[in-house]
Amino acid sequence: DAMVIQNPRYQVTQFGKPVTLSCSQTLNHNVMYWYQQKSSQAPKLLFHYYDKDFNNEADTPDNFQSRRPNTSFCFLDIRSPGLGDAAMYLCATSRVAGGSSTDTQYFGPGTRLTVL
Amino acid sequence: KQEVTQIPAALSVPEGENLVLNCSFTDSAIYNLQWFRQDPGKGLTSLLLIQSSQREQTSGRLNASLDKSSGRSTLYIAASQPGDSATYLCAVSEGKLIFGQGTTLQVKP
Repeated sequence: DAMVIQNPRYQVTQFGKPVTLSCSQTLNHNVMYWYQQKSSQAPKLLFHYYDKDFNNEADTPDNFQSRRPNTSFCFLDIRSPGLGDAAMYLCATSRVAGGSSTDTQYFGPGTRLTVL
Repeated sequence: KQEVTQIPAALSVPEGENLVLNCSFTDSAIYNLQWFRQDPGKGLTSLLLIQSSQREQTSGRLNASLDKSSGRSTLYIAASQPGDSATYLCAVSEGKLIFGQGTTLQVKP
């Protein structure tokens, strides 16, 4: 059974048109992460939630926001997508937030965003 | 600032060959190191996690080692198969995951 689910798998939007990507998890993990991965590049952390605490990476553009209405769901909102925002967006979960030697992250299948 | 480097960027081997993927990192103050597999257009699958206090972990045909003092990890794949073809990413945890850019492996039948 899928543990981290992302919808949609493929999203096409127009330049400047707001878009929302969805992530849900059945693991009951405390932490949820959003990564951006551009072609042939390493995944880059945008932000994460520890329960309801939101943690933004310093270099994440203001254009990217997130919501976590409950433990199971987390959303990535891109307010005004630009051509440079075309990428794979990966959601991940973990039981605890960093600092643990034993904890791993579980990734969803990703949403590939195309900006026209 | 932590930097993670993976060499080579791409590797092509015939089926059945044993191979080693390399990962290096600049700051040894890590909680753990993880190896992931990524198939084209897909998410990441965790393969192995090595705690900072450990030297190696094994899972089936995969063996990962960690040498914190030298800032290096290797992923050894025994008896490679075409189904092993994918991109392999290493990531160090220092409160968050810092990824290398990956090694794209092709195993030819």
